[in-house]
Amino acid sequence: GAVVSQHPSRVICKSGTSVKIECRSLDFQATTMFWYRQFPKKSLMLMATSNEGSKATYEQGVEKDKFLINHASLTLSTLTVTSAHPEDSSFYICSARTSGGMRGTDTQYFGPGTRLTVL
Amino acid sequence: DAKTTQPPSMDCAEGRAANLPCNHSTISGNEYVYWYRQIHSQGPQYIIHGLKNNETNEMASLIITEDRKSSTLILPHATLRDTAVYYCIVRGDSGGSNYKLTFGKGTLLTVNP
Repeated sequence: GAVVSQHPSRVICKSGTSVKIECRSLDFQATTMFWYRQFPKKSLMLMATSNEGSKATYEQGVEKDKFLINHASLTLSTLTVTSAHPEDSSFYICSARTSGGMRGTDTQYFGPGTRLTVL
Repeated sequence: DAKTTQPPSMDCAEGRAANLPCNHSTISGNEYVYWYRQIHSQGPQYIIHGLKNNETNEMASLIITEDRKSSTLILPHATLRDTAVYYCIVRGDSGGSNYKLTFGKGTLLTVNP
């Protein structure tokens, strides 16, 4: 399957600081990337959909000014958690969608996740 | 909300086949069935997907009932490394809200030695 990487894998920061997480599709181009968040013992929750060269679409309840998303190229999307607070501590996972020639054959591949801890 | 129903947990003996059921009785004609799994503290891993025909790849087989209201993921020879949460997801093939992967609670499969 296609490979998606994330950096960093783990970050600890102080409350009030900003943290940037990178998501890269290593062996394919992704016009669409997704950002998810997962709290302990919970399922993944979609935060936003990121399209290359355009503004991200945020899910209801997700603050766009707090979670800044940039999708500047077909292989890179970044998520910046601004003014992080302890309640932002979570497992952040990105996903990139391949573009398939046939209907329904495109697939989302996920990165390994970034564990954010805000002190 | 997730459009699928899965048992919260299952156990399987190492080396035996693991059969994970999924109900998706409200599936639409243009929606595919996708399976992912998530090993603890990792990102989800794509397993397989299908529309109406049974599918097989190097990881698993997907059996979809003729009415498409349910499916079964089969891991033919489960190993300890297959212990994970398995997610069954229905997703449309066109733009709109049904094109997103919406994760439910999944099934925690525990493979025992």
